[in-house]
Amino acid sequence: GDSVTQMEGPVTLSEEAFLTINCTYTATGYPSLFWYVQYPGEGLQLLLKATKADDKGSNKGFEATYRKETTSFHLEKGSVQVSDSAVYFCALTLTSGTYKYIFGTGTRLKVLA
Amino acid sequence: KAGVTQTPRYLIKTRGQQVTLSCSPISGHRSVSWYQQTPGQGLQFLFEYFSETQRNKGNFPGRFSGRQFSNSRSEMNVSTLELGDSALYLCASSLEGQGNTEAFFGQGTRLTVV
Repeated sequence: GDSVTQMEGPVTLSEEAFLTINCTYTATGYPSLFWYVQYPGEGLQLLLKATKADDKGSNKGFEATYRKETTSFHLEKGSVQVSDSAVYFCALTLTSGTYKYIFGTGTRLKVLA
Repeated sequence: KAGVTQTPRYLIKTRGQQVTLSCSPISGHRSVSWYQQTPGQGLQFLFEYFSETQRNKGNFPGRFSGRQFSNSRSEMNVSTLELGDSALYLCASSLEGQGNTEAFFGQGTRLTVV
């Protein structure tokens, strides 16, 4: 079945460090890929998305490239801030007329000043 | 433009009771989905509604049900509550259309079953 695998957390970094959170997927068909972020006590906010192979999603310094050959959508940021501390979820949805998302388990990021 | 609104934000119920959660989507959005978030299972899809019809359903027992009204507002109901139903329940709405695959999430309803 369709699934998303994320690297285990927590990830602890110092401010201004480089961030990579790995995400790979298994899907039948051609999924759209997403990164969502969840701050404490809040719902999920869309961080970025890519809807086809080789697309690069970017927002607030975060980037991820849809790699069909490696079925990956790794999240990167060149210089993290304390305010980036949150839980990050990789997700997919199949563009088949539904909005059923399949989420990874989430990766908690903690950035230290 | 108002976001997705879920009510109530917090709820405490006793085992065996039933509960109804409400979700008001973003104006103009006709698709509403529900998810359960727990520390052990993560985010799991419950069901999706579009134009008052259930379009997709996850692997949850029949105690979990939902509906959507003509104004796109949605409710989910859980009957005969169990301790394991304690979770954050998230609702998401989406604008139907070509290429519109983004879901907007509400802040969730935190259900505690005691």
